[in-house]
Amino acid sequence: DTAVSQTPKYLVTQMGNDKSIKCEQNLGHDTMYWYKQDSKKFLKIMFSYNNKELIINETVPNRFSPKSPDKAHLNLHINSLELGDSAVYFCASVGRGQETQYFGPGTRLLVL
Amino acid sequence: GQNIDQPTEMTATEGAIVQINCTYQTSGFNGLFWYQQHAGEAPTFLSYNVLDGLEEKGRFSSFLSRSKGYSYLLLKELQMKDSASYLCAVRGDTGFQKLVFGTGTRLLVSP
Repeated sequence: DTAVSQTPKYLVTQMGNDKSIKCEQNLGHDTMYWYKQDSKKFLKIMFSYNNKELIINETVPNRFSPKSPDKAHLNLHINSLELGDSAVYFCASVGRGQETQYFGPGTRLLVL
Repeated sequence: GQNIDQPTEMTATEGAIVQINCTYQTSGFNGLFWYQQHAGEAPTFLSYNVLDGLEEKGRFSSFLSRSKGYSYLLLKELQMKDSASYLCAVRGDTGFQKLVFGTGTRLLVSP
């Protein structure tokens, strides 16, 4: 039933570790996004893929690497985690010609 | 550059009307969105304006003036469940739905 799902919901890890977050949408959408929401609740776009092709790549450290194995999935791998990476990461998707972006439930990442 | 401003916090009483303002300066404009986000949850879509004027949807309305770089979200007959953050977002003129969000307005509705 879930339209946009993310795993894991919570992630607590040590500085320097490498971790991945996964996103899947079953809406048949072509475009998917990763957003970061910091402690001040500011929601900022990181990446976007359209049909497995990277189309938006904001100024994000290259420790962050998105991967889209197919248009229903968009994963985010983070190398050498830092304290400042602690945030909520949201995945979203939108259909071609549509206006509404649908957000996943978020992954709460805490780096210790 | 892109700049989107909203008040940080607002309070209102159940049953009242509240207006949340958003001003923006962006390098292009192709629509303005309002999203609602309850604490600990994902943002959910409320409204979309691309032409000047008022869009009404039940208790919620959104207004846009492109010449003034200004929008507001109007919430009528406030309910306790309307306590949430309200995010204003602007879509620039790129082809792939890139949204730039404001910092959000936290609305607290009291009895």
